[in-house]
Amino acid sequence: DADVTQTPRNRITKTGKRIMLECSQTKGHDRMYWYRQDPGLGLRLIYYSFDVKDINKGEISDGYSVSRQAQAKFSLSLESAIPNQTALYFCATSDQNRVDNEQFFGPGTRLTVL
Amino acid sequence: AQKVTQAQTEISVVEKEDVTLDCVYETRDTTYYLFWYKQPPSGELVFLIRRNSFDEQNEISGRYSWNFQKSTSSFNFTITASQVVDSAVYFCALGSYNTDKLIFGTGTRLQVFP
Repeated sequence: DADVTQTPRNRITKTGKRIMLECSQTKGHDRMYWYRQDPGLGLRLIYYSFDVKDINKGEISDGYSVSRQAQAKFSLSLESAIPNQTALYFCATSDQNRVDNEQFFGPGTRLTVL
Repeated sequence: AQKVTQAQTEISVVEKEDVTLDCVYETRDTTYYLFWYKQPPSGELVFLIRRNSFDEQNEISGRYSWNFQKSTSSFNFTITASQVVDSAVYFCALGSYNTDKLIFGTGTRLQVFP
């Protein structure tokens, strides 16, 4: 079984709809991250969390919110989706005891907003 | 500030050619880590290598090799005798104890034609 899972893997939605992307991990890591990937822009950090009570904004948090329901679960919400949020979204985890911040990625969620 | 630059947006080669992907980084930290990830057309991110700033030895893994030069702040990746299966987007990333997260370059798309 994969250590970091994301659901759904693909989603098509309409402008204005609320959508939630979910991430679960079995690695026992405290740190979790949400990124979006757009062609030519690489991976940009949306939000990250170092434990259940610690949520931090990344470089592109506008239009997104997150919830850290448990150590193993970190959800990303788009309250009112818009077409320019069409992207590939990745969840990642890292071990707080590692100084190199190596991250372990989920398989990605491809989101299309029409 | 921390920054990773992958100046090559896209590279096309014919099978069996050697190809080098460039990565230049900026950091004020004395201890830092560099990563390469591969993203094949299927979309997942595949970890390739991690190097720390104290180890400047080049590394070879099969057809892959990495050249780390602190003097030029570069961590370049060479594929020898490229194959069609090497076609992917390749990301370079920088991590350190002081940043708590990875900084990604914008990626280089490699296309290997038969």
